[in-house]
Amino acid sequence: EVQLVESGGDLVQPGESLRLSCAVSGFTVSSNYVNWVRQAPGKGLEWLSVTYINGAADYADSVKGRFTVSRDNSRNTLFLQMNSLTTEDTAVYYCARGDGFFDYWGQGTLVIVSS
Amino acid sequence: DIQMTQSPSSLSASVGDRVTITCRASEDTHKSVAWYQQKPGKAPKFLLYATSRLGSGVPSRFTGSGSGTEYTLTVNTLQSEDSATYYCQQYYHYPRTFGQGTKVEIK
Repeated sequence: EVQLVESGGDLVQPGESLRLSCAVSGFTVSSNYVNWVRQAPGKGLEWLSVTYINGAADYADSVKGRFTVSRDNSRNTLFLQMNSLTTEDTAVYYCARGDGFFDYWGQGTLVIVSS
Repeated sequence: DIQMTQSPSSLSASVGDRVTITCRASEDTHKSVAWYQQKPGKAPKFLLYATSRLGSGVPSRFTGSGSGTEYTLTVNTLQSEDSATYYCQQYYHYPRTFGQGTKVEIK
């Protein structure tokens, strides 16, 4: 059974950093594309990043230079390092599998950026 | 970036009705369009890809069509459990982009 489980969401102050995790079971992260998507309260879905099979990544302009994805193949886990957080980054963060469309999603983890 | 514009933003329909949601892309997405269903407090659920292909386990009352810049999701014979917000998404280009969502309510 395919499962993605996000963790690491928290309440942080503007300017701080946070690292989210996406633990995967049922498929191998090193053989699949995995994305991060977020949803601000009461808003729609925003794609943030993709990690390619070769470990390289692409990012949305809104987070480029502040967010970095990485992967631990031995733990079948992906990470989203988020720096210089602002109140605009307050959202539920999802990881999702897919090259193009996203067939499996995690349950999400809530990040609140507030002073 | 490719903009995806959904209409309507919300609708109300009765059980058994047929409802149609439209998604217009700012440029040709060559049928690389997916649809998702999201219920309150839950993660999005994948419904269709490549405009009209059903995801695994998705009921056949969900159908998709379209080409070029205009795509539709139709829910035939609406059920009470179909009350949700629906999103289209293009995957022809990066960044992947979503429509703003259509909230479907049951009368």
